[in-house]
Amino acid sequence: QKEVEQDPGPLSVPEGAIVSLNCTYSNSAFQYFMWYRQYSRKGPELLMYTYSSGNKEDGRFTAQVDKSSKYISLFIRDSQPSDSATYLCARANQAGTALIFGKGTTLSVSS
Amino acid sequence: GAGVSQTPSNKVTEKGKYVELRCDPISGHTALYWYRQSLGQGPEFLIYFQGTGAADDSGLPNDRFFAVRPEGSVSTLKIQRTERGDSAVYLCASSEGQANSPLHFGNGTRLTVT
Repeated sequence: QKEVEQDPGPLSVPEGAIVSLNCTYSNSAFQYFMWYRQYSRKGPELLMYTYSSGNKEDGRFTAQVDKSSKYISLFIRDSQPSDSATYLCARANQAGTALIFGKGTTLSVSS
Repeated sequence: GAGVSQTPSNKVTEKGKYVELRCDPISGHTALYWYRQSLGQGPEFLIYFQGTGAADDSGLPNDRFFAVRPEGSVSTLKIQRTERGDSAVYLCASSEGQANSPLHFGNGTRLTVT
């Protein structure tokens, strides 16, 4: 069971826009979440990870977990054409030994 | 340093044939994972190795799929009697092996079964 859902998009925005990517999860026991970025014909690469709840910021990227609404969000400020990719949210399994991925949201940033 | 390397990058085979996909993880990473990604989907977990042993193979879809990691480094995913539904990108990832360690992915092997 995936238990992590995300809208596949596609999402198209102009350069410089603020992008909000979201996932929902069903089990409040989940604690550890990650965001991966995947360019076409490449493997996923880790962007950010968060544990439990709250915000984590890294440059133009902010990851947020809202446990009350079971929402995971990734915000991209000042989006660039190089941000065009598929963004995958993931949760760790109970043992922390593997990741369960959502379907991914495809983002296109136009210049 | 070198990342996760997967060979071949593309594989076309006929239905019913046997294929082997190879993964060379990041040096020193004790954990190794195989995932399968179909078009428009996220990666789907297949199997996880800690060292030489398969610690979790719950994602393998059936007994046509098998994976080994005999020396705790390179891994081979083996698919017998391939079916058209096996067509997908097979991704390998490795990690340092602690709980919740980040996974580092290779670029995958694109398998097409005709």
